[in-house]
Amino acid sequence: GIQVEQSPPDLILQEGANSTLRCNFSDSVNNLQWFHQNPWGQLINLFYIPSGTKQNGRLSATTVATERYSLLYISSSQTTDSGVYFCAVPSYGAGSYQLTFGKGTKLSVIP
Amino acid sequence: SQTIHQWPATLVQPVGSPLSLECTVEGTSNPNLYWYRQAAGRGLQLLFYSVGIGQISSEVPQNLSASRPQDRQFILSSKKLLLSDSGFYLCAWEPRESEKLFFGSGTQLSVL
Repeated sequence: GIQVEQSPPDLILQEGANSTLRCNFSDSVNNLQWFHQNPWGQLINLFYIPSGTKQNGRLSATTVATERYSLLYISSSQTTDSGVYFCAVPSYGAGSYQLTFGKGTKLSVIP
Repeated sequence: SQTIHQWPATLVQPVGSPLSLECTVEGTSNPNLYWYRQAAGRGLQLLFYSVGIGQISSEVPQNLSASRPQDRQFILSSKKLLLSDSGFYLCAWEPRESEKLFFGSGTQLSVL
């Protein structure tokens, strides 16, 4: 099946700093999603981004499908950005479909 | 707007006891529904998915089962819990017209 690798696995930032999280995938995909899991476990869908760039406030994401990677940018980080960031890509079987998740990047933003 | 409800938030159960976790979605029709488990260490494992009432697909052999008695209701069950069933269980839904996935708030299950 498709492999998804995220880097770095852990990241510590000073509040106000910028960061880039990376997601590599092993096969062609027609969409990619980024999620944020807060320290209480809630998973929020940040971006649905098959290709190109999308922005939502201080967060933006870019997917280069032809080169099989996506980047999540966090600018002017805040303590509320802490948590684990996952990317996920679809894999298709005979009449079925599921998302394959990376292992996540754990971000800690310190004041 | 669409919302997903999952309960309970936390659950402590003895080994060998039954389990029933419920998830409901509001504001949409005929969604795809999913149960994931997240063990300590972050990985998300797909357990079951459903594309319609009574249609359940299982991704991994296990001590758990799932049912979809109504269009927007998804239930995760076990007849006898094992220690290894402990974990964080997440229900998720996806609209038919999109592959964008939305998660419930999760249930932290501890089997003792």
